[in-house]
Amino acid sequence: KQEVTQIPAALSVPEGENLVLNCSFTDSAIYNLQWFRQDPGKGLTSLLLIQSSQREQTSGRLNASLDKSSGRSTLYIAASQPGDSATYLCAVSTSYNTDKLIFGTGTRLQVFP
Amino acid sequence: EAGVAQSPRYKIIEKRQSVAFWCNPISGHATLYWYQQILGQGPKLLIQFQNNGVVDDSQLPKDRFSAERLKGVDSTLKIQPAKLEDSAVYLCASSRAGGPGDEQFFGPGTRLTVL
Repeated sequence: KQEVTQIPAALSVPEGENLVLNCSFTDSAIYNLQWFRQDPGKGLTSLLLIQSSQREQTSGRLNASLDKSSGRSTLYIAASQPGDSATYLCAVSTSYNTDKLIFGTGTRLQVFP
Repeated sequence: EAGVAQSPRYKIIEKRQSVAFWCNPISGHATLYWYQQILGQGPKLLIQFQNNGVVDDSQLPKDRFSAERLKGVDSTLKIQPAKLEDSAVYLCASSRAGGPGDEQFFGPGTRLTVL
């Protein structure tokens, strides 16, 4: 059974810092991995999607890497801003059920001015 | 394009009462998902529809939860009777075809509190 874990559970940093969020999964037979952002009272917004054959994806100040063999992904946020404050969730879809997303518990990020 | 719409946004009920949530997916999206997100946890898939047929309901507590998607568009999720542990945010998502790597778009969710 696939399990997804995220550490840390919460993070508070001053504006401008570079930071790394971690995601680990127990079964390396994944189809893809996604990072989502969740703002209070709002739905999830997809940030980056990495196919199992890829090593990383970049979008603006965000960079996500994937090491399938070790069951790990990291989300790197450069030059953090107060507007980055949100909960970040990673989710994997497995090779045997590509539609089904299995989510981690999330990292709650606060960036203060 | 308009996003996924859900209503109500908030609901408070007593245990053993019934409640229903409504979801309108993005126009033209064939696949619709209902997730349950308990406070402090990630979303968990309850049921997945492809048009008006059920693809996966393996994690739906069928003794109290039911869902339907009439005409392959809007969907309702019902809980009858509710328990305290059903307190959660219920998220609806849709995707174009539900194929490999197809992006899911999420609605704002309905926050349910069971007292």
